[in-house]
Amino acid sequence: QVQLQQSGPGLVKPSQTLSLTCAISGDSVSSNSATWNWIRQSPSRGLEWLGRTYYRSKWYNDYAVSVKSRITINPDTSKNHFSLQLNSVTPEDTAVYYCARVGTVVGATGYFDYWGQGTLVAVSS
Amino acid sequence: EIVMTQSPATLSVSPGERATLSCRASQSVSSNLAWFQQKPGQAPSLLIYGASTRATGIPARFSGSGSGTELTLTISSLQSEDFAVYYCQQYNDWPPTFGGGTKVEIK
Repeated sequence: QVQLQQSGPGLVKPSQTLSLTCAISGDSVSSNSATWNWIRQSPSRGLEWLGRTYYRSKWYNDYAVSVKSRITINPDTSKNHFSLQLNSVTPEDTAVYYCARVGTVVGATGYFDYWGQGTLVAVSS
Repeated sequence: EIVMTQSPATLSVSPGERATLSCRASQSVSSNLAWFQQKPGQAPSLLIYGASTRATGIPARFSGSGSGTELTLTISSLQSEDFAVYYCQQYNDWPPTFGGGTKVEIK
């Protein structure tokens, strides 16, 4: 059974960096079939996919156009987790952030079969 | 990107009745569509993938149908635990996108 456990602060000041971590159990961040994703949810933007990291003989990252200049997703094989960093945050980045797995890529990107518990991150001074 | 539109926004249904939720895509998603259920304070949970395949442990009262631009989630006989918000997600094209959700509430 795959489990994803999120950690990180719930309050970030404007212009600073939002940082979250997603610890994986029951699978490996280095899986050759899965992808590891970050998704956020807010009343104004709904569910919004932010980006992913995955391993296929080497590491790849893909990011949503809306955050591409500000986002970094990194895997950590020693801890079997992956992280999200979102720079230069504004109040519009206030949302519940989720990590999620795609078990096997079908279609263009696959569907999200396991989710973390979610972290409410407020951007406020 | 593909825009997913769900209707209605809110569906009021009595326990034991049938609920039909619609998801419309701005262009064809073939059968590359998933449905999720979200309860308050929880993450979305996978119900259906491939437009019609139930995820592990999902009761048979949940069924998905359709392909292309018109897809449907049907709950045949609503149980108390089914009152929640439902989202569709397409994975036929880049990037993956979600619908705005349908809230199923008790009538």
